[in-house]
Amino acid sequence: GEDVEQSLFLSVREGDSSVINCTYTDSSSTYLYWYKQEPGAGLQLLTYIFSNMDMKQDQRLTVLLNKKDKHLSLRIADTQTGDSAIYFCAESIPGKLIFGQGTTLQVKP
Amino acid sequence: GAVVSQHPSWVICKSGTSVKIECRSLDFQATTMFWYRQFPKQSLMLMATSNEGSKATYEQGVEKDKFLINHASLTLSTLTVTSAHPEDSSFYICSARDPVLRGLVGYTFGSGTRLTVV
Repeated sequence: GEDVEQSLFLSVREGDSSVINCTYTDSSSTYLYWYKQEPGAGLQLLTYIFSNMDMKQDQRLTVLLNKKDKHLSLRIADTQTGDSAIYFCAESIPGKLIFGQGTTLQVKP
Repeated sequence: GAVVSQHPSWVICKSGTSVKIECRSLDFQATTMFWYRQFPKQSLMLMATSNEGSKATYEQGVEKDKFLINHASLTLSTLTVTSAHPEDSSFYICSARDPVLRGLVGYTFGSGTRLTVV
């Protein structure tokens, strides 16, 4: 069945890079997404990658996709305190999105 | 860009009463909307897919009579939690899909509704 797994917690110091990892099971996923959720708020789309791409960079964000291993990662360069939030990866399968459990990113000053 | 408005952002109600949550697509027509439920520190669980002009498709384990979904127009879907109980307290988030953008950035989320049943 469809399943998306993420580590639950990551703590980094301000200015360091953060890497959040995600694995998924459905090989038919066409798009994979990273969303950010701040406390009490909805989800904000950060970036996405098409399944036939290996890498996508967007300013401080770098997404790496290993389709063979069904592994997705999000790297945030020069992490700031404002990046503290929960990050969800999601895979797009026909008709819906399947979310991981979310990774809480804590950024220490 | 695509904007989804969800209202109310928070609501407190008494056990046994019903609560309606609205989800509107502001600048696009959404033939499909999605309702999610999120428990504290957990992921989003898809409850149902709302299709304009037809019955919603519920995920396994979601009570249709408990969570009534109506998608009467291309810009509005509503979720009514009927006869609410404390265990229904949760964060509910809607999402709408822009059929023009489709799979790219086609999923836009509302800001969520915090429901507390006392």
